[in-house]
Amino acid sequence: EVQLVQSGAEVKKSGESLKISCKGSGYSFTYYWIAWVRQMPGKGLEWMGIIYPGDSDTKYSPSFQGQVTISADKSISTAYLQWSSLKASDTAMYYCARLVSYDSSGSTGYFDYWGQGTLVTVSS
Amino acid sequence: QTVVTQEPSLTVSPGGTVTLTCASSTGVVTSGYYSNWFQQKPGQAPRPLIYNTSQKHSWTPARFSGSLLGDKAALTLSGVQPEDEAEYYCLLYYGGAQPVFGGGTKLTVL
Repeated sequence: EVQLVQSGAEVKKSGESLKISCKGSGYSFTYYWIAWVRQMPGKGLEWMGIIYPGDSDTKYSPSFQGQVTISADKSISTAYLQWSSLKASDTAMYYCARLVSYDSSGSTGYFDYWGQGTLVTVSS
Repeated sequence: QTVVTQEPSLTVSPGGTVTLTCASSTGVVTSGYYSNWFQQKPGQAPRPLIYNTSQKHSWTPARFSGSLLGDKAALTLSGVQPEDEAEYYCLLYYGGAQPVFGGGTKLTVL
């Protein structure tokens, strides 16, 4: 059974750093892109970026480039999303999802399995 | 900046049919946008329903179907059930691995 299990909720202060995780199981983690999606309170979904665990090829949405870092450790089937200095506006639910890509670049495809979400709360 | 537009809200009666649409600020939505549709209920992660315009996942109920309608992508629910009340999001792919989600449609079953 394919599963993506995310790390637990976090409460942080502005300026602190944070790294949340998404652990895959039940499939070959190395060979599927992992996407990160943000959902701010009461708002819609926003695509943040993707990573290919096999070679750590990473692509970011322009809105999130330079604001977060996406990484992965294929040896433990885990992808990460991290911030070096959190802001109150980073308060949101963050989801990871598996991307089944139609090509090797991750430029098109579909999301099939999703993590349960990690709620990040940042106080000022 | 590319904007993907959905109806903010729709209401349908149980057993009825409703169509949700997904428009692109760049123009006509074609099969090359590989549209995806997701259902999200309060407190839950999004659940994929449709990909590649009209393909269903193994778990997608038969009453959900995807298509292109005019210049938009569309999701049609036929024989709506009370449990279909949820927020629905489309996703369109643009060049360079830069997909964009629509703003979502809140579907009320009443």
